[in-house]
Amino acid sequence: EDQVTQSPEALRLQEGESSSLNCSYTVSGLRGLFWYRQDPGKGPEFLFTLYSAGEEKEKERLKATLTKKESFLHITAPKPEDSATYLCAVCSGGGADGLTFGKGTHLIIQP
Amino acid sequence: DADVTQTPRNRITKTGKRIMLECSQTKGHDRMYWYRQDPGLGLQLIYYSFDVKDINKGEISDGYSVSRQAQAKFSLSLESAIPNQTALYFCATSPWGTDTQYFGPGTRLTVL
Repeated sequence: EDQVTQSPEALRLQEGESSSLNCSYTVSGLRGLFWYRQDPGKGPEFLFTLYSAGEEKEKERLKATLTKKESFLHITAPKPEDSATYLCAVCSGGGADGLTFGKGTHLIIQP
Repeated sequence: DADVTQTPRNRITKTGKRIMLECSQTKGHDRMYWYRQDPGLGLQLIYYSFDVKDINKGEISDGYSVSRQAQAKFSLSLESAIPNQTALYFCATSPWGTDTQYFGPGTRLTVL
């Protein structure tokens, strides 16, 4: 059974204070690891897909990295508008063709 | 961006009632999914469909049914709603050749 664990559950940062969110996973054959952003009351918004260990992707202040056991979402010099819940999900070759999600990290950036 | 739309956006119903949630997409994607999200939990897969003739159960399909009326439409039904089906429901789509999914805005369902 695929499992995804995200940490921390919540994180409060000052504007400009860089940090990282963690996503640990166990899967039977990783087909892809996904990061989404979710604002309150809205649907998840796609950010990145990572396919293999060593891969990195960047978008504005966000950078996602992947190892064989975990992924990190690095946020550099965050702004208040980066406040959201960040979700990590995996798709594997061993299960149904949906995504298995973690519970998310609730990120608050204070001005 | 209204590529994936869900109706209704909010619904309050009573225990035992039948309810249908609808999802439409203009992305031209073949694959469609239904998830539910409960506070403090991750999204959980209910059903998914690869085309009009293909329907598959997810991890929590009990108490739910689906209908794929066309490539662009995928409906989720609760035959007899119960209070623990109170949740946010999301539809998602995915094109062939990728596992990346794109989500709709969600339906907030409350069962009293």
